[in-house]
Amino acid sequence: NAGVMQNPRHLVRRRGQEARLRCSPMKGHSHVYWYRQLPEEGLKFMVYLQKENIIDESGMPKERFSAEFPKEGPSILRIQQVVRGDSAAYFCASSPVSGTDTQYFGPGTRLTVL
Amino acid sequence: GENVEQHPSTLSVQEGDSAVIKCTYSDSASNYFPWYKQELGKGPQLIIDIRSNVGEKKDQRIAVTLNKTAKHFSLHITETQPEDSAVYFCAAPTSNTGKLIFGQGTTLQVKP
Repeated sequence: NAGVMQNPRHLVRRRGQEARLRCSPMKGHSHVYWYRQLPEEGLKFMVYLQKENIIDESGMPKERFSAEFPKEGPSILRIQQVVRGDSAAYFCASSPVSGTDTQYFGPGTRLTVL
Repeated sequence: GENVEQHPSTLSVQEGDSAVIKCTYSDSASNYFPWYKQELGKGPQLIIDIRSNVGEKKDQRIAVTLNKTAKHFSLHITETQPEDSAVYFCAAPTSNTGKLIFGQGTTLQVKP
């Protein structure tokens, strides 16, 4: 019973490049949440998606960031024209239902922007 | 806005002692309170959670207590072991979408 999977685990990009982070939820889970953890800080909510729908993107920066969760395949967090301040660990979590159901986290993608 | 405060930020105990971490939350509609353990370089791992219809929950050496009136909840670890050393986060959901607001984290060090 595989847990939440994220890839790549480590990603290095130069300023101005694009970063694509992938998240495959646990089997049977149709709800995905993305969180960002800056160095030495806690986790901050970014976006909540269900299949083919963005439900809550109140934590997403207005520019350069986008997310999707297509009918088939993993959820993608996309960061365009990366800057050094985007360097962080990005975690996704999945749950079988929304609301107050348990969220299970993946191992994260550590993005370094040179 | 919604907020979760967590204390202390660092905690050092001797092996075998107990450790207590406390959190307060602001959203009175929150009704689910998970605790996560994060080891270096890894993702947060759920260790225990509690829902608002109970005041206490135990799982072996770990327990969580909830006081909804005062809007605070605590994590208790008894008979600590060196492998308990990690960063611990409390969280509470806000809004009906279930997004979690996390506390700032507590770095627990258990000295052998």
